[in-house]
Amino acid sequence: GAGVSQSPSNKVTEKGKDVELRCDPISGHTALYWYRQSLGQGLEFLIYFQGNSAPDKSGLPSDRFSAERTGGSVSTLTIQRTQQEDSAVYLCASSPRNRAINTEAFFGQGTRLTVV
Amino acid sequence: GQNIDQPTEMTATEGAIVQINCTYQTSGFNGLFWYQQHAGEAPTFLSYNVLDGLEEKGRFSSFLSRSKGYSYLLLKELQMKDSASYLCAVSTGSARQLTFGSGTQLTVLP
Repeated sequence: GAGVSQSPSNKVTEKGKDVELRCDPISGHTALYWYRQSLGQGLEFLIYFQGNSAPDKSGLPSDRFSAERTGGSVSTLTIQRTQQEDSAVYLCASSPRNRAINTEAFFGQGTRLTVV
Repeated sequence: GQNIDQPTEMTATEGAIVQINCTYQTSGFNGLFWYQQHAGEAPTFLSYNVLDGLEEKGRFSSFLSRSKGYSYLLLKELQMKDSASYLCAVSTGSARQLTFGSGTQLTVLP
């Protein structure tokens, strides 16, 4: 597609259930980010994938959070045993960035997760 | 660690000029980005600075001073549609990872 695609756009889940959020980056983009944004807050970094390198998971808030990126393209963010504080908008971004140049990141529309 | 500071809120009048400041203390620096985010929407790219000085793009300009760890975004001839959150982001590390500030909510009044 033309841009970063995320699904679902909205997800309501019960506390304790697992959820999977999907991100389809722009074709050819090697870098992929997941961020979390709570209401009225800035973007909180979660995880970063760059090509075939090991991902930077330093932003994941707990071991309930995990992410993978298959074939260097689609990424899935999984939250296990969801808690109410996990409620936020989860944003994915991709970039053609490599180690030699800086380019901007392009964001998807996000998945609004509500844990009830 | 990385620390990026911006004012939380600003208010300005339609037609005026507003300057949004950003200071950063980061381990490493590869460049600074500004993004605009309207309520309920994804952030969109506005500008990028890697060298000291002013980059101008129409009504928007961005300035960087690497020695001071300081940047600003200048918006001229403000329009109502400029009401949004403005996010400062710094690229760091060999992987050029982006770290965002909390954003400045700008309200443009008629």
